[in-house]
Amino acid sequence: KAGVTQTPRYLIKTRGQQVTLSCSPISGHRSVSWYQQTPGQGLQFLFEYFSETQRNKGNFPGRFSGRQFSNSRSEMNVSTLELGDSALYLCASSSSQGVKTQYFGPGTRLLVL
Amino acid sequence: AQKVTQAQTEISVVEKEDVTLDCVYETRDTTYYLFWYKQPPSGELVFLIRRNSFDEQNEISGRYSWNFQKSTSSFNFTITASQVVDSAVYFCALSEAGNNAGNMLTFGGGTRLMVKP
Repeated sequence: KAGVTQTPRYLIKTRGQQVTLSCSPISGHRSVSWYQQTPGQGLQFLFEYFSETQRNKGNFPGRFSGRQFSNSRSEMNVSTLELGDSALYLCASSSSQGVKTQYFGPGTRLLVL
Repeated sequence: AQKVTQAQTEISVVEKEDVTLDCVYETRDTTYYLFWYKQPPSGELVFLIRRNSFDEQNEISGRYSWNFQKSTSSFNFTITASQVVDSAVYFCALSEAGNNAGNMLTFGGGTRLMVKP
């Protein structure tokens, strides 16, 4: 099976802009989770989508949002970008059945100038 | 609230040495999962192992072994005869179990392992 894919891999934006990141899960996986990784805060959970519904949400401001499509692909959006949003954004997918091991994509590196 | 602590931020060893990465966790859940992930310089998190809270058997996979001790809330990871390719950042993580728990990993801060030739 193909792994989790994320696009784009690298992105440069300026403050105030918005950005949309995309994630395609492993075939058959219906759960998609998003994480933010920064040197200062480490790996932090953003949100999880399952069957097009947000199932869990981390402690991030409303500027961070996401959605999931019927084919389980997911997008996350960050509006009004701030310098502190510069990070590696990782997407993970897991099967809805059995043990919930999450498999991660290569990430999108976002730089906000 | 869940918490994972990896006290060792950075470890440096010489190739062929054994190295143990420590992980201590806190949770109020009675059932949970523990994980180890490896993050090479490319950035992708690579799944290494998952352990259920009700299964305290230690596990060995090649040069890797894991010691889960519920009594001390620890889930340590040992690499035997380390190799340069083992150089990476290693993360310990925790999640709730149960069908309605969803998927949310709480990560430790990570341990950067450098294996020198």
